[in-house]
Amino acid sequence: GAVVSQHPSRVICKSGTSVKIECRSLDFQATTMFWYRQFPKKSLMLMATSNEGSKATYEQGVEKDKFLINHASLTLSTLTVTSAHPEDSSFYICSAQEDPANEQFFGPGTRLTVL
Amino acid sequence: AQSVAQPEDQVNVAEGNPLTVKCTYSVSGNPYLFWYVQYPNRGLQFLLKYITGDNLVKGSYGFEAEFNKSQTSFHLKKPSALVSDSALYFCAVDAGANNLFFGTGTRLTVIP
Repeated sequence: GAVVSQHPSRVICKSGTSVKIECRSLDFQATTMFWYRQFPKKSLMLMATSNEGSKATYEQGVEKDKFLINHASLTLSTLTVTSAHPEDSSFYICSAQEDPANEQFFGPGTRLTVL
Repeated sequence: AQSVAQPEDQVNVAEGNPLTVKCTYSVSGNPYLFWYVQYPNRGLQFLLKYITGDNLVKGSYGFEAEFNKSQTSFHLKKPSALVSDSALYFCAVDAGANNLFFGTGTRLTVIP
């Protein structure tokens, strides 16, 4: 149980295009989903927290207009990187939580490369 | 402010020997502490967590961790390392509001 999937696992795009990453909880309903970004040889940095049906809460320094998060249902959250640039290249990981008392379950991550 | 420190970027250990991956934390209040493992090109996998109770927590794949409040540490341990344990290990703390703060990770290499 507690499986979280991400799609795509890997994406390469041209600078200026937008990329959508999906995060799904496959066997539970996630009231809260989190989006992290992992830089090479560095830790994961929380980008935003999203609750189903409400606007995401972004961490300081994260541009909400650039990283659009939609948590439309209890099993799906999407992260759209708008007008991507090479510096947005990174490994993006989502996690999902059924309720605050439970731990977060992580997706397998999405490797974004912006040319 | 909460923070997590993993002082070692790299830990090498011979197969069959005990291993320790260090983690210290700084947080106000009672923390929830976690260990995750990340294999190449994979997401994070949950190993174990400390919420309350017994300071020695047992988790997946034979790993355990000891919560030491006086030293604010939560070191990950395993009595006998396997080559397949080679991976990147992250310590994390949830200081409330379900926000996880991660350490910078420690790469464990188990030498055959």
